Amino acid sequence: GEQVEQLPSILRVQEGSSASINCTYENSASNYFPWYKQEPGENPKLIIDIRSNMERKQTQGLIVLLDKKAKRFSLHITDTQPGDSAMYFCAASPNYNVLYFGSGTKLTVEP
Amino acid sequence: EAAVTQSPRNKVAVTGGKVTLSCNQTNNHNNMYWYRQDTGHGLRLIHYSYGAGSTEKGDIPDGYKASRPSQENFSLILELATPSQTSVYFCASGERDSQDTQYFGPGTRLLVL
Repeated sequence: GEQVEQLPSILRVQEGSSASINCTYENSASNYFPWYKQEPGENPKLIIDIRSNMERKQTQGLIVLLDKKAKRFSLHITDTQPGDSAMYFCAASPNYNVLYFGSGTKLTVEP
Repeated sequence: EAAVTQSPRNKVAVTGGKVTLSCNQTNNHNNMYWYRQDTGHGLRLIHYSYGAGSTEKGDIPDGYKASRPSQENFSLILELATPSQTSVYFCASGERDSQDTQYFGPGTRLLVL
């Protein structure tokens, strides 16, 4: 299996600033790390993912970093907007078939 | 985009009653999953399936059964519902052994009184 810890559980930032969410995992075999965004009342949707052969991935204001040695990965949202306010979940997978999720971060972007 | 539907979307059940949550996907994905989401716990895997006729236990299978009668359909069954099973349940589908994401359904809100 896998255990994923996600911090912080609550994050408030000012509009235009950056937000960072950190996750750690235990299973060194984990090789796939997706991030999901969930709006209130909606289902989780993939926003970015990274595989173990990469250390950094960037797309549309999102940056994911992976440190396999430390078993740590993180999501950085640059130039945050009110529309970024949501729940964010990290996950890890050791076998591509099962995802193990962190407990989530509630991000609030204040104007 | 992948299409995963769930029914019912909302359900009120009585303690000790039987509840069946249904999920249908039109993506021809091999894998299907049932999660529950509770505040402070994120998404926890209950059961999953690699294909028709297959069911596997996830992290929290106690009190739940699953059924995968076809590639498209995956059901979660609560034989004797308890108030502790009040939660939001998400179904998801994904390709087997693939570095691809899981696609989630809209969720079912279950209240057990």
